[in-house]
Amino acid sequence: GAGVSQSPRYKVAKRGQDVALRCDPISGHVSLFWYQQALGQGPEFLTYFQNEAQLDKSGLPSDRFFAERPEGSVSTLKIQRTQQEDSAVYLCASSFLTTSGGETQYFGPGTRLLVL
Amino acid sequence: ILNVEQSPQSLHVQEGDSTNFTCSFPSSNFYALHWYRWETAKSPEALFVMTLNGDEKKKGRISATLNTKEGYSYLYIKGSQPEDSATYLCARGSNYKLTFGKGTLLTVNP
Repeated sequence: GAGVSQSPRYKVAKRGQDVALRCDPISGHVSLFWYQQALGQGPEFLTYFQNEAQLDKSGLPSDRFFAERPEGSVSTLKIQRTQQEDSAVYLCASSFLTTSGGETQYFGPGTRLLVL
Repeated sequence: ILNVEQSPQSLHVQEGDSTNFTCSFPSSNFYALHWYRWETAKSPEALFVMTLNGDEKKKGRISATLNTKEGYSYLYIKGSQPEDSATYLCARGSNYKLTFGKGTLLTVNP
């Protein structure tokens, strides 16, 4: 079946531009996650949704980052007034229902964002 | 150990060699340890989820062990093939979120 998809795969933005990154999770998956991988680092947690509810946004680096999942399926990560330090790979993952950390999260291929 | 750490950072082996790498993690309040394989331009692929001390899991030529008391996991690849070339990530799972190491980049030369 179809896995997690993300678009665009690559995005080049000028500093100060707003960007929107899309994630289509596996159909029926309740839990959705966003991670950020900076160059030379492992992926780092940004935010977590259970259906349309954003239960944890503690990893969002600043108030320029905003995520939503209005109908409990597709999610969008928006970054306002992009800065060079926002350059990273943004990964989306979904799982049937994650409550403990022991459930497999299925990842998309990521969006590589470059801010010039 | 305060964070998830992986070693070595990178590894070059010849086709047919067996290899292994290490993931170290905080042992307190442990719940689960995940291994992923991430090939360039593809999605990270889940290999194993391990929860019990002494757990051993196997998938083809790849296997993993877990020691929750001392906080480490080993990933083994037997008879490496060029298609095994990828970054191998481990992650500690706790309260729904994953905390990743920086990964081990494996290159298998034909």
